[in-house]
Amino acid sequence: EAEVAQSPRYKITEKSQAVAFWCDPISGHATLYWYRQILGQGPELLVQFQDESVVDDSQLPKDRFSAERLKGVDSTLKIQPAELGDSAMYLCASSLTAGAYTGELFFGEGSRLTVL
Amino acid sequence: DQQVKQNSPSLSVQEGRISILNCDYTNSMFDYFLWYKKYPAEGPTFLISISSIKDKNEDGRFTVFLNKSAKHLSLHIVPSQPGDSAVYFCAASITGNQFYFGTGTSLTVIP
Repeated sequence: EAEVAQSPRYKITEKSQAVAFWCDPISGHATLYWYRQILGQGPELLVQFQDESVVDDSQLPKDRFSAERLKGVDSTLKIQPAELGDSAMYLCASSLTAGAYTGELFFGEGSRLTVL
Repeated sequence: DQQVKQNSPSLSVQEGRISILNCDYTNSMFDYFLWYKKYPAEGPTFLISISSIKDKNEDGRFTVFLNKSAKHLSLHIVPSQPGDSAVYFCAASITGNQFYFGTGTSLTVIP
């Protein structure tokens, strides 16, 4: 069964360091999302791509976070410099397309970030 | 501002009984709702959805009810099984864009 691949699964870093997460969506899925889930809370959208274009990054802290999906396939989320409050699960999700009631987002297993 | 709320952080139910998980939303523009299930150390997996043109959608043991006037939806699991123990998130969107998630309800089904 096709799935969303994410790496690394776990990342421990010190504050002020740079960290990057990678996501490979399900083949053919045009829409890709990065969510952040803090313990005890629901996933919060950071950025949404339609192919290679950013559709929504209104909740992305752009002073330290960046995201790209250069060829409209896989995507990288970067944090530089990392802060203690960035400790969270970073979830990537994809869908066939957006805005068409087509159903669900397919999530990867997530990347757990711990900032010391 | 939390647009989707799950006010019960946890719920315990006996095996075989009904589990009812509730979700409230504030944005009347939401027209598509989903429930996700999440096991520890895994990403959320889709369970069931409902669009605003319906008030009920059923899939096996899972039924979602939507009350648009009350801006409330609920997930019923009948009968509940121990394997249903997980965190359940409801999500809402406008035409399938920009999904907003609730804070989750941790369900424990007691054998």
